Amino acid sequence: DAKTTQPTSMDCAEGRAANLPCNHSTISGNEYVYWYRQIHSQGPQYIIHGLKNNETNEMASLIITEDRKSSTLILPHATLRDTAVYYCIVRVSEEQNFVFGPGTRLSVLP
Amino acid sequence: GAVVSQHPSRVICKSGTSVKIECRSLDFQATTMFWYRQFPKQSLMLMATSNEGSKATYEQGVEKDKFLINHASLTLSTLTVTSAHPEDSSFYICSAIAAADTQYFGPGTRLTVL
Repeated sequence: DAKTTQPTSMDCAEGRAANLPCNHSTISGNEYVYWYRQIHSQGPQYIIHGLKNNETNEMASLIITEDRKSSTLILPHATLRDTAVYYCIVRVSEEQNFVFGPGTRLSVLP
Repeated sequence: GAVVSQHPSRVICKSGTSVKIECRSLDFQATTMFWYRQFPKQSLMLMATSNEGSKATYEQGVEKDKFLINHASLTLSTLTVTSAHPEDSSFYICSAIAAADTQYFGPGTRLTVL
């Protein structure tokens, strides 16, 4: 079973920031938080991952709470192309496979 | 990021035939690759872990004699769906671990069994 819970769906206006929450209250100290997204009929695309500290790259920012029980993926200026299902996954780095939950279906509206 | 390719992207076959799907890591070597299956409006489900030079590890409920996996080199894993039936119609996705423990996914193969 997935170790994360996410809202089923969210809407965001084009050009605005999209904030996608994820709860992982049972996360262990050595588990990373990964975010992927899947655009319809394509393979999942890696976005970002982190352990404790907040992370930022060219695609997004990842904010992890101090107790690590939840995190937020931020797309700073959402575009129509960001419409996708976003998956939050926790994984121990030494383990190999990911367990995907249902994710959040983000719709970016014009 | 690292690139993983799959071939073919789409295949239609008759019931009872076998279909082979290839997964390649294009710019890195991968000792471990994964095969997932995704039915419409559902999330990805891990089928098996493919290890270069050794037997694949299958998840519970996945028939190893029906879904044959071969990982003969550090850049290629193949999944063969043997004696395919309509219920095997699905979106098959592979992935590979690149540097920094990040998993990169292929674009997927849509299999339709008539």
